[in-house]
Amino acid sequence: NAGVTQTPKFQVLKTGQSMTLQCAQDMNHEYMSWYRQDPGMGLRLIHYSVGAGITDQGEVPNGYNVSRSTTEDFPLRLLSAAPSQTSVYFCASSSVQGQGKSEQYFGPGTRLTVT
Amino acid sequence: GNSVTQMEGPVTLSEEAFLTINCTYTATGYPSLFWYVQYPGEGLQLLLKATKADDKGSNKGFEATYRKETTSFHLEKGSVQVSDSAVYFCALNQGGKLIFGQGTELSVKP
Repeated sequence: NAGVTQTPKFQVLKTGQSMTLQCAQDMNHEYMSWYRQDPGMGLRLIHYSVGAGITDQGEVPNGYNVSRSTTEDFPLRLLSAAPSQTSVYFCASSSVQGQGKSEQYFGPGTRLTVT
Repeated sequence: GNSVTQMEGPVTLSEEAFLTINCTYTATGYPSLFWYVQYPGEGLQLLLKATKADDKGSNKGFEATYRKETTSFHLEKGSVQVSDSAVYFCALNQGGKLIFGQGTELSVKP
């Protein structure tokens, strides 16, 4: 199993550009989520999904869109990048069985810089 | 709302020293508690977890006990190694969503 994969590893955008961060998992997990990591703030939840066709907002959803058309994929879209979105982005997945107790598996992250 | 507070870092220790990283939480109900570790340039890995009060999670010499009375989940290790240098995150699970502390950077010197 590859686990959770993310592409790209690094990205530089100019203000106003759009892009999609890719996330895929091969563990047949129902639950997937996106976090951003900023210095001194831990990880904060952006959006999450409990299954194909179902998404919901997390703590910091503004400026980001998601969709979940398959169990495996959960892309994160930045519609118009802003310098405040400079961060490291992590995708995670877990089984919903034993909800609340299951381990979340994290991808290696995407480091995004917006100039 | 639910929240997690960790002791601030960075923490610098000599090899074989005793480690404690404090973590306290605020939550409704009894969430599961986790410690994740992030090595330089990598994603987060689960280090240990506890799903109910008085549970002790342990892994790789690290331990943490779920203390309901003090709402704490402190991470301890009796003898740290250089390879333990990393950032450690305490987290609670709220209905499948993880709420993280701000992270504590640990640096172990030989």
